[in-house]
Amino acid sequence: EAGVTQFPSHSVIEKGQTVTLRCDPISGHDNLYWYRRVMGKEIKFLLHFVKESKQDESGMPNNRFLAERTGGTYSTLKVQPAELEDSGVYFCASSQDLAGEETQYFGPGTRLLVL
Amino acid sequence: SQQGEEDPQALSIQEGENATMNCSYKTSINNLQWYRQNSGRGLVHLILIRSNEREKHSGRLRVTLDTSKKSSSLLITASRAADTASYFCATDALNSGGYQKVTFGTGTKLQVIP
Repeated sequence: EAGVTQFPSHSVIEKGQTVTLRCDPISGHDNLYWYRRVMGKEIKFLLHFVKESKQDESGMPNNRFLAERTGGTYSTLKVQPAELEDSGVYFCASSQDLAGEETQYFGPGTRLLVL
Repeated sequence: SQQGEEDPQALSIQEGENATMNCSYKTSINNLQWYRQNSGRGLVHLILIRSNEREKHSGRLRVTLDTSKKSSSLLITASRAADTASYFCATDALNSGGYQKVTFGTGTKLQVIP
């Protein structure tokens, strides 16, 4: 079974441009999470989808970030316009809709560099 | 300190030695998990310990949890060069909506020298 995949693996853009990151969760996983790790700092939660609904978007830094999960399958995270401080690694994770302990399965991440 | 803060930040040992990493957190948790990230790759789940457990083993991994001190440790015994990676602890608790919310620490960068 395929794991969580993310595209692109790397992206280098200039400040002010737009970038869209994509995440394909494990098939059948209702929960999809976005995280971000900025240079050398902790991995921070951005938001959580349950199917197509945003359950928790408390970690989204500002309105330049827009996440969608139309149809409850893959998700996109758009940054528009990108700023220098948006550089980092963006991880996506998915998990099954199970009560109690849920292991989140992570994708390889997208490395974003804003120049 | 931040939720899920690990120490040391970096650790370099010889192959065959044991590696111990610590994690401290601030709030009440349901579970604590340890993840590994190899360079250029995603996070791989290693082990989960529940808040009512004190110790757990998985292969060469041993995790302890002290909820009174809000701390956990990950011990890797008989380390191998392939263990070289960054290790993160992650605490999870239920948010107001009843869903799991995971908080990661800054990670410990482990280097195992052959």
